[in-house]
Amino acid sequence: SSELTQDPAVSVALGQTVRITCQGDSLRIYYANWYQQKPGQAPVLVFYGKNNRPSGIPDRFSGSSSRNTASLTIAGAQAEDEADYYCNSRDSSGDHLGLFGTGTKVTVL
Amino acid sequence: EVQLVESGGGLVQPGGSLRVSCAASGFIFSIYEMNWVRQAPGKGLEWVSYISSSGDTIHYADSVKGRFTISRDNAKNSLYLHMNSLRAEDTAVYYCARDSRESFDLWGQGTIVTVSS
Repeated sequence: SSELTQDPAVSVALGQTVRITCQGDSLRIYYANWYQQKPGQAPVLVFYGKNNRPSGIPDRFSGSSSRNTASLTIAGAQAEDEADYYCNSRDSSGDHLGLFGTGTKVTVL
Repeated sequence: EVQLVESGGGLVQPGGSLRVSCAASGFIFSIYEMNWVRQAPGKGLEWVSYISSSGDTIHYADSVKGRFTISRDNAKNSLYLHMNSLRAEDTAVYYCARDSRESFDLWGQGTIVTVSS
């Protein structure tokens, strides 16, 4: 197996843009998925695959990838975007989506 | 409504056993792969186990291999996780998650398992 590493915390001013990164060897092969989790709630998928946003997710959420790094960008962050964000991909065997990042706490100032 | 609802969590002593369940509704459960993901208090998400749509392919995290058993009953639209030899470090919120093969696209609200004497 391998690991997915994220910065523990980032902050962004209201209405500004923030990028959250996720690094790991598996990302050279597989796309990352991104989940938002607010306190006391279950995770919610906000972006997945090469360029997919689930229904109901605002278009200010976007994803990208390069080499071993995946990124989630929130353009024009809103107060309700304050949450923990986790990346996720298949493990090195490719058998399952069993690899989660360490998580990033996003604070909207 | 498309949803997953976990149940069966509770307080169990170290070394004990517990079975948590996940009831699916609003979609064709039998065509989806499913997973269990847990989150210890104040910690990140940890994948626990995977089961294919038919139940014939199963994977476990090393941390639970040999102690946990995942299963499903497609006739009952239900997913299960039977946990044996529980340890304090198994204390967590246990989520079931639907697997679209690209992502975990639907999550339950979670059930809390506490392992303590």
